Amino acid sequence: QVQLQESGPGLVRPSQTLSLTCTVSGGSISSGSYYWIWIRQPAGKGLEWIGRVYTTGSTNYNPSLMSRVTISVDTSKNQFSLKLSSVTAADTAVYYCAREGRIGYSYGLYFDYWGQGTLVTVSS
Amino acid sequence: QSVLTQPPSVSAAPGQKVTISCSGSSSNIGNNYVSWYQQLPGTAPKLLIYDNNKRPSGIPDRFSGSKSGTSATLGITGLQTGDEADYYCGTWDSSLSAGQVFGGGTKLTVL
Repeated sequence: QVQLQESGPGLVRPSQTLSLTCTVSGGSISSGSYYWIWIRQPAGKGLEWIGRVYTTGSTNYNPSLMSRVTISVDTSKNQFSLKLSSVTAADTAVYYCAREGRIGYSYGLYFDYWGQGTLVTVSS
Repeated sequence: QSVLTQPPSVSAAPGQKVTISCSGSSSNIGNNYVSWYQQLPGTAPKLLIYDNNKRPSGIPDRFSGSKSGTSATLGITGLQTGDEADYYCGTWDSSLSAGQVFGGGTKLTVL
């Protein structure tokens, strides 16, 4: 059973860089055809896709965040990471990591495994 | 402002049926597959429906999905108090602002 666990500071100062890591257990991050995802959710609001990284290191980012986001993968540690620069209070949210892949022989790709989420607050 | 439009809330009595709509455009729902996620209070979202109308293993057949044109619908029959949750539709958007997009979420209350 694949499990994902987010880790990182719960408080980040404005204008600084938010850094989170997602550790994958129960399977190799480099096996299979999966994307590794970051999604966030401000309190009381909906889900926002931040971006994804493939095991080759190829990335796709939300255009609204692209200038500030970097997602990378470390296959040797079975981890992938998120860096979001120049944060403001608007970046305060629960951040989830997840796996995106096919469900059986599905046509599309879907988020089938999620971490429990970690709250990051941006405040001075 | 979410790319996909969902009603903020729906409600129904236990045992009844409810539907949740999700409206988009040709660049997202119209040309891509739709998924639905259930988010129980204080937990991570869980995949409920994929490829418009398929259920992952373990999801009861009380949950169903459909798509027509640029809209999708989630149906839940035989409502249970445990179904009280937020429900999100999602799909890929193939426009210049390409990426995964979600609806704003619908809060289901089982009265």
